[in-house]
Amino acid sequence: NAGVTQTPKFRVLKTGQSMTLLCAQDMNHEYMYWYRQDPGMGLRLIHYSVGEGTTAKGEVPDGYNVSRLKKQNFLLGLESAAPSQTSVYFCASSYLPQGGDGYTFGSGTRLTVV
Amino acid sequence: SQQGEEDPQALSIQEGENATMNCSYKTSINNLQWYRQNSGRGLVHLILIRSNEREKHSGRLRVTLDTSKKSSSLLITASRAADTASYFCATDKAGTALIFGKGTTLSVSS
Repeated sequence: NAGVTQTPKFRVLKTGQSMTLLCAQDMNHEYMYWYRQDPGMGLRLIHYSVGEGTTAKGEVPDGYNVSRLKKQNFLLGLESAAPSQTSVYFCASSYLPQGGDGYTFGSGTRLTVV
Repeated sequence: SQQGEEDPQALSIQEGENATMNCSYKTSINNLQWYRQNSGRGLVHLILIRSNEREKHSGRLRVTLDTSKKSSSLLITASRAADTASYFCATDKAGTALIFGKGTTLSVSS
């Protein structure tokens, strides 16, 4: 009964490096989302997916790319990391669109870009 | 953007007291949800109230929704130290995803 699993949990990157954050869910959810959480800013939507092979931009998509090649996985990529991308990243999934049944969240990835 | 804003930003109470936090939003919604986040953890879904509902209960939680005022409140009765967390409201935005507020930090001391 894993729910939503995010890897890695922590990462330190140097400016300009790239990395991929993995989100995996085992609930057969159609909808998946990536958010970032910064102090005093709440959660902001980066990208989301309404099904396998489909992705869309959220509120703060610049500097990030995503892919949903398999229904259970949603990958978030940083091509050239910047200090402004230091944040905690959360993945979530839902059975209904727009989280109409509530989101299930992962435990987060804490990313520091130096 | 359509966003819920929680009030107050921070709330400190004693165990056994009730905690009330409010959420205001800007545009029409299909539903409003409340989440809890313990320090260093992911968010956990607490309760969902649909736009045609006025009040909903779940254990010690009571949520009200006033669509005419575009506001909601979350009441936690008989608070416990374990209720210490941040609480977020979230509203749905047609065609996209949930939009979260900045949260209320609740501290319950024994």
